[in-house]
Amino acid sequence: EVQLVQSGAEVKKPGESLRISCKGSGYSFTSYWISWVRQMPGKGLEWMGRIDPSDSYTNYSPSFQGHVTISADKSISTAYLQWSSLKASDTAMYYCARHDAVPAAMNYYYYMDVWGKGTTVTVSS
Amino acid sequence: EIVMTQSPATLSVSPGERATLSCRASQSVSSNLAWYQQKPGQAPRLLIYGASTRATGIPARFSGSGSGTEFTLTISSLQSEDFAVYYCQQSKSAWTFGQGTKVEIK
Repeated sequence: EVQLVQSGAEVKKPGESLRISCKGSGYSFTSYWISWVRQMPGKGLEWMGRIDPSDSYTNYSPSFQGHVTISADKSISTAYLQWSSLKASDTAMYYCARHDAVPAAMNYYYYMDVWGKGTTVTVSS
Repeated sequence: EIVMTQSPATLSVSPGERATLSCRASQSVSSNLAWYQQKPGQAPRLLIYGASTRATGIPARFSGSGSGTEFTLTISSLQSEDFAVYYCQQSKSAWTFGQGTKVEIK
């Protein structure tokens, strides 16, 4: 079974650092990009960025560039999302998702076909 | 950044009726458009990609259409399990989601 298993809920204080994880199984981890998506309480989905696990190349949304770091360790089929200094506004659910793509006329259609169950991050003093 | 705008914010529909959800892009995304369903307490689920192709295992009552800047998700006959929030997402450039449409029971 193809799945992404995310690490457990975290409760942190402002200013602390954090790294959450997303482990892929049931497929070739280096063949698919992984994205991270934020969902603040009661709000919609926000794409944060993505990583190619084969070479750790990353793209970030301008909204998240410089605020988080996405990384991966292909030897253990795991992607990470990390913060160096958390803020209360980082309180949210964070999902990882696998990319797939199909060829189209002049490019590819990308989509996120497998999702983790999410990691809740609570930042409070 | 490409802004995705969904309408309406909330759609009240009776079971068995048709639901039509709209998604508009601030600039052309061609057919680089996907739709996702999210139920409370669950992760999103892929419904449609390439604007009109159903994902594996998605029932035929879900259909997507449109290209460029205007897109539609249609649920032909709403079932109880379809009441959820639906998001569109463009993958043309620096991926972005719409704010979602909640489909609720009328």
